[in-house]
Amino acid sequence: GAVVSQHPSWVICKSGTSVKIECRSLDFQATTMFWYRQFPKQSLMLMATSNEGSKATYEQGVEKDKFLINHASLTLSTLTVTSAHPEDSSFYICSVGTGTNTGELFFGEGSRLTVL
Amino acid sequence: DAKTTQPTSMDCAEGRAANLPCNHSTISGNEYVYWYRQIHSQGPQYIIHGLKNNETNEMASLIITEDRKSSTLILPHATLRDTAVYYCIGPSAGGTSYGKLTFGQGTILTVHP
Repeated sequence: GAVVSQHPSWVICKSGTSVKIECRSLDFQATTMFWYRQFPKQSLMLMATSNEGSKATYEQGVEKDKFLINHASLTLSTLTVTSAHPEDSSFYICSVGTGTNTGELFFGEGSRLTVL
Repeated sequence: DAKTTQPTSMDCAEGRAANLPCNHSTISGNEYVYWYRQIHSQGPQYIIHGLKNNETNEMASLIITEDRKSSTLILPHATLRDTAVYYCIGPSAGGTSYGKLTFGQGTILTVHP
């Protein structure tokens, strides 16, 4: 498997500010990481696929200019929520696949964002 | 992706087996069935997956019907810490869907003393 860690675990910010969330693969070199989000009382939805050394691939309906993803190394991907608004308040979770099986992912602990 | 259907919620007594059903009647021949669980305010945790044979690991057993239209996740001796939302997922096989898990609403399993 893979051990995935996120930071921060929770963050509160003011509307209009930007917030960066880090996702680290601690024991596996991940060329690909996946960012999901989960609104209260809803299920997880894939936002984007983060690719090391190249641009992220965003799911339909996810604004790439609002959710900036950087995957500069094999162990770190960052998600920056720019000009955050209260509707961006959500649980953001990253995951790593080790490639041995397409559906087996290892998730981080999640980062809860609250925008005031 | 194969559509899956699960009961909204289930209860189980601590120490007893928890049997969580999932219908996936539209699953194709090369699609695996995956099970994850999510404990409150945590990231999902992979449990098990299978294609057509029954599978067992240290966490659970997965029983898949011969026609592959349904499966059952079995937690043999449920504990209070097994209280979570359990997701049955049937992603498409192949690299184009790698990592793209479609989470439904899952089954809220409550294990009580």
